[in-house]
Amino acid sequence: DAKTTQPPSMDCAEGRAANLPCNHSTISGNEYVYWYRQIHSQGPQYIIHGLKNNETNEMASLIITEDRKSSTLILPHATLRDTAVYYCIVLRQGGKLIFGQGTELSVKP
Amino acid sequence: GAVVSQHPSRVICKSGTSVKIECRSLDFQATTMFWYRQFPKQSLMLMATSNEGSKATYEQGVEKDKFLINHASLTLSTLTVTSAHPEDSSFYICSGRGRGNYNEQFFGPGTRLTVL
Repeated sequence: DAKTTQPPSMDCAEGRAANLPCNHSTISGNEYVYWYRQIHSQGPQYIIHGLKNNETNEMASLIITEDRKSSTLILPHATLRDTAVYYCIVLRQGGKLIFGQGTELSVKP
Repeated sequence: GAVVSQHPSRVICKSGTSVKIECRSLDFQATTMFWYRQFPKQSLMLMATSNEGSKATYEQGVEKDKFLINHASLTLSTLTVTSAHPEDSSFYICSGRGRGNYNEQFFGPGTRLTVL
């Protein structure tokens, strides 16, 4: 499964959009982009996933570039409860979720 | 999303004893279950993958005789840390994946193990 690169940390003001980038330049055509987050001392929580098209759900939006080499997770109106480590993971169907270091997002009042 | 529970949430044990952690999928059938370990300030590390009714597949460097995994039913998997030592102290997290949901894994809340 392809490796991903994420910034180690980011800050965001409460109420503003949080844009978390992820590079996955070696992604294969059959690999999906998944986003999970982990709030301190809890199990990871699924956020969203996509293959080629942009996706949106009640939690976030996922923007995937046309060449699929990078993506951005958007939390449209960040709250203090969104403070967590966000993981971008690329994997094929049936693959195993392998977590990198993720991005530690701090939402500040 | 689907719900996964873990029991106990915290356990403290003496060095040399064995500890069993249960992982249950409450509202779906988990054909595959995964066990992860997380040390402080680090990311999750996959330990093993188990399919219902089959032997677990362990990741490189994980001792299968020390971390016994049983996945006897579609809703229950157990991890037994045998002869625990202080270096086994960690946060253990399980996850389940249902039939047809090829990649969506639902995680339990984790079990904090402290070995004295």
